[in-house]
Amino acid sequence: EAGVAQSPRYKIIEKRQSVAFWCNPISGHATLYWYQQILGQGPKLLIQFQNNGVVDDSQLPKDRFSAERLKGVDSTLKIQPAKLEDSAVYLCASSDQGPGYGYTFGSGTRLTVV
Amino acid sequence: GNSVTQMEGPVTLSEEAFLTINCTYTATGYPSLFWYVQYPGEGLQLLLKATKADDKGSNKGFEATYRKETTSFHLEKGSVQVSDSAVYFCALYNQGGKLIFGQGTELSVKP
Repeated sequence: EAGVAQSPRYKIIEKRQSVAFWCNPISGHATLYWYQQILGQGPKLLIQFQNNGVVDDSQLPKDRFSAERLKGVDSTLKIQPAKLEDSAVYLCASSDQGPGYGYTFGSGTRLTVV
Repeated sequence: GNSVTQMEGPVTLSEEAFLTINCTYTATGYPSLFWYVQYPGEGLQLLLKATKADDKGSNKGFEATYRKETTSFHLEKGSVQVSDSAVYFCALYNQGGKLIFGQGTELSVKP
């Protein structure tokens, strides 16, 4: 089974620029998550999709972050404009099972804002 | 609210030493508990899980027991290898909630 695919692996941008990340979950996984992992911290959930609907975006900074999951498959996360504190690894995960089974994570996109 | 607290790292051990990484949690209800591992340059991988009190999760020589009375889920391994060097994350999932991670504990195993 193919894993969760993310691209790009690395991105360096200047502050105030925009950036987009892409995620393709495991085929058939209805639930998709975007996490932000700042260096030295645990991952923090930004947004959760169930199919193409948003379940939880309470920790998404909506003034600059946006995410969509068209057709309930792949997803994009965008930051516009970026700030220095957005430097982090952005992880995508997917799941097809109920609570208690864990998620499958992609390798992440490492964003550096300079 | 729900939260996870792990012992601070980095933890440095010699090969074949015994490993314990402490994890305690605060949660309403009866969460499922997980350990994830992140090898350098890679994404998070599920290491083991336990879904109810007294369950023991195990994988690759690692073990953790869900202790409801002490709200703990400590990770242990009897004999670590250099290849176990990674960052380990304890996490909980509460019914209707989301996966919440601790801050991670870096393990470095020296030959």
